[in-house]
Amino acid sequence: EPEVTQTPSHQVTQMGQEVILRCVPISNHLYFYWYRQILGQKVEFLVSFYNNEISEKSEIFDDQFSVERPDGSNFTLKIRSTKLEDSAMYFCASIGLGQETQYFGPGTRLLVL
Amino acid sequence: DAKTTQPPSMDCAEGRAANLPCNHSTISGNEYVYWYRQIHSQGPQYIIHGLKNNETNEMASLIITEDRKSSTLILPHATLRDTAVYYCIVRVLNSGGSNYKLTFGKGTLLTVNP
Repeated sequence: EPEVTQTPSHQVTQMGQEVILRCVPISNHLYFYWYRQILGQKVEFLVSFYNNEISEKSEIFDDQFSVERPDGSNFTLKIRSTKLEDSAMYFCASIGLGQETQYFGPGTRLLVL
Repeated sequence: DAKTTQPPSMDCAEGRAANLPCNHSTISGNEYVYWYRQIHSQGPQYIIHGLKNNETNEMASLIITEDRKSSTLILPHATLRDTAVYYCIVRVLNSGGSNYKLTFGKGTLLTVNP
């Protein structure tokens, strides 16, 4: 069964460093998402991406964040200068054209020290 | 977004049916009810969704009341591996059709006991 994959599973970085979280959505899916979950809190929507552009973003998704689909398979989330409060689980999700269900990846646990 | 209300926690005995309720009294006519679960900080896992009719798949059944103001997710024979946080989500439909964001609440922590 096709699934969303994410790398790395864990990332530890120093405050102020740039990180790139990678996702491989399900093949042929066209809509891509990033969510995050701070420890003990709700899963929060960050951004949606379609046709090589952002279709919606939340207030959390400020200028420090960017997304990109650099090739036909990867979907990345970049945090330019990490802060302590960026420590969270980051989940990628995707959905196919005409479909009704988002499928999530296993997540990347980001720890900013 | 239509708001959902779920009990914070529930217990269920292994092998018994788990019935998880959800209230969504402000749901609009074109909004779907989705259920996801999250097992110990893993990625949310899709379970089932519906609009107005009851739905069943290999994982669960979804019962939606006639007025659509509430629904119940039923796990017919709960196992220990079903221990998870269960989220009832009303889908916000973007103008882009398939493109929509999910708004998660706190969900219900279902604990299946041996």
